[in-house]
Amino acid sequence: DGGITQSPKYLFRKEGQNVTLSCEQNLNHDAMYWYRQDPGQGLRLIYYSQIVNDFQKGDIAEGYSVSREKKESFPLTVTSAQKNPTAFYLCASSITGTTNTEAFFGQGTRLTVV
Amino acid sequence: GESVGLHLPTLSVQEGDNSIINCAYSNSASDYFIWYKQESGKGPQFIIDIRSNMDKRQGQRVTVLLNKTVKHLSLQIAATQPGDSAVYFCAESPRGNQFYFGTGTSLTVIP
Repeated sequence: DGGITQSPKYLFRKEGQNVTLSCEQNLNHDAMYWYRQDPGQGLRLIYYSQIVNDFQKGDIAEGYSVSREKKESFPLTVTSAQKNPTAFYLCASSITGTTNTEAFFGQGTRLTVV
Repeated sequence: GESVGLHLPTLSVQEGDNSIINCAYSNSASDYFIWYKQESGKGPQFIIDIRSNMDKRQGQRVTVLLNKTVKHLSLQIAATQPGDSAVYFCAESPRGNQFYFGTGTSLTVIP
């Protein structure tokens, strides 16, 4: 089945530690995105990538880093510089081109800092 | 960032009634709009989309209406069922495959 997979579903991290969230897609999509979702708020864009080896900061990139070495994979690292990392993280992908199409989402990773 | 807002944060409807969820957007350059459904602890699921050259689009039990004059988007769900209970987000795409999401409306269906 084609889709977008995030792992793990739940993640616990001690303060001061970096942690990497995985996102893999087999939809052959060029564009991939990372969003953060907090209770009562919408999705806020952290980083996005339109093509392999290229990515841009979103609205809340501080304290996060990404890489895009393969088309299928777009891991997100939450660094110790992120002041409030506890949140629900969503990865998405979409086709790129002259006509916009919908973004497909993974099932999310809930990160809790303890 | 873009401003995409929903008029009502919560909505309760009786099973079998129709539901209407509203959304305001701010960027007149947006030419593509999407409605997503998100169940608790899961990722958003695509429901229906509409492009700016249309003012209405229908799917199975859902209809999206777009009013570009007042920058307003609505989602109508016919014969609402308990399985429709979820948070509904609208998203706008003003350029280059970027998406901007509203805060969401929580729909509760009362049996």
